[in-house]
Amino acid sequence: DIQMTQSPSTLSASVGDRVTITCRASQSISSWLAWYQQKPGKAPKLLIYKASSLESGVPSRFSGSGSGTEFTLTISSLQPDDFATYYCQQYNSYSLTFGGGTKVEIK
Amino acid sequence: EVQLVESGGGLVKPGGSLRLSCAASGFTFSNAWMSWVRQAPGKGLEWVGRIKSKTDGGTTDYAAPVKGRFTISRDDSKNTLYLQMNSLKTEDTAVYYCTTGSYSPPYDAFDIWGQGTMVTVSS
Repeated sequence: DIQMTQSPSTLSASVGDRVTITCRASQSISSWLAWYQQKPGKAPKLLIYKASSLESGVPSRFSGSGSGTEFTLTISSLQPDDFATYYCQQYNSYSLTFGGGTKVEIK
Repeated sequence: EVQLVESGGGLVKPGGSLRLSCAASGFTFSNAWMSWVRQAPGKGLEWVGRIKSKTDGGTTDYAAPVKGRFTISRDDSKNTLYLQMNSLKTEDTAVYYCTTGSYSPPYDAFDIWGQGTMVTVSS
């Protein structure tokens, strides 16, 4: 199975900060990568698909980049609603895998 | 309105069985590739398995921890997805979500999620 490694696992930031989360795949997944935001007690919400395509309705401060094995999710200016946990997910193989998650906390 | 509604969760003893259902509405269920994703308390997301649409072969794939114990099926006439869970272990305790993706194949970037149903495996 393809392993997905996210870093950092926890990130402390302030409103207005630029935030970057990294996701590394154990082998090439082309651009078959999605990013999700999850808040406590809620289902995940799709933010980015195919590495860099912004899901409809998601604010433009969210962006994704990368291909192959290295990917990033960037929040250009952190807003109060963005404090949450973020997951990457590969869908290149028949067996899908998620990263371990990055919790974005208030500094 | 596009909607997925899971049901069937509950408390079950180790070694027991449980069947989850997921009722879909607001989209063409028969064309959808449907997955189950679970989340143990305080832990991250874990993909459980997927069933493709019948037009794409109707095949199933499973994560290693559940392969041979869990079975995913679908009834397109009822717009319903199922997860049959047998030989349950305490580590299967989690919220189980059904989910699907709308974008071009592979339909595995999940933009539609249910609210989740809790499964607790405990003696």
